[in-house]
Amino acid sequence: QKEVEQDPGPLSVPEGAIVSLNCTYSNSAFQYFMWYRQYSRKGPELLMYTYSSGNKEDGRFTAQVDKSSKYISLFIRDSQPSDSATYLCAMNSGGYNKLIFGAGTRLAVHP
Amino acid sequence: GAVVSQHPSWVICKSGTSVKIECRSLDFQATTMFWYRQFPKQSLMLMATSNEGSKATYEQGVEKDKFLINHASLTLSTLTVTSAHPEDSSFYICSARNSGRNEQFFGPGTRLTVL
Repeated sequence: QKEVEQDPGPLSVPEGAIVSLNCTYSNSAFQYFMWYRQYSRKGPELLMYTYSSGNKEDGRFTAQVDKSSKYISLFIRDSQPSDSATYLCAMNSGGYNKLIFGAGTRLAVHP
Repeated sequence: GAVVSQHPSWVICKSGTSVKIECRSLDFQATTMFWYRQFPKQSLMLMATSNEGSKATYEQGVEKDKFLINHASLTLSTLTVTSAHPEDSSFYICSARNSGRNEQFFGPGTRLTVL
């Protein structure tokens, strides 16, 4: 079993839809959770960074962490074609440990 | 803020030659930098962790004599692919961690093609 599980998709939604992206993990020591967006042939871009459980909102993006269920989510409201990319979840236990990445979910938002 | 650059963005070389890729943190000091490799439609594979002024720590299965990493300053790390072969063709991405913080910021990547 992988430490971090993420459905690779692809996920196709119409413009304006609410998108839900999710990851599950098995290591209860993980405390820091990140979401990255990666466009084709580009490096990943940090979207959201959260510590422990709870919600964090930034514009159209909301990150949720449920440590009791070992489940994290990224919601994208009013999705746009420019949101079409691969979204990677990543996490670690802090203390400058390496990040553990999910497989990435490919999202396509069509006009 | 938190900008990481990589150079070159793409490189084509002949089999048997060596290629150096630079990773720079432009607006922050990075005591730790990471080198990843990514194959098409796959996630990132960590190759090594580079700490300024010390030897890099390589992940299991990564040949340290083939992928030489140097982190000589707080803003620069280099990856040298020695005696490159076609199977080394890939997308190489570095990331940098701001000193005292946990977030990692990625460079734009370098596409290496070995003929």
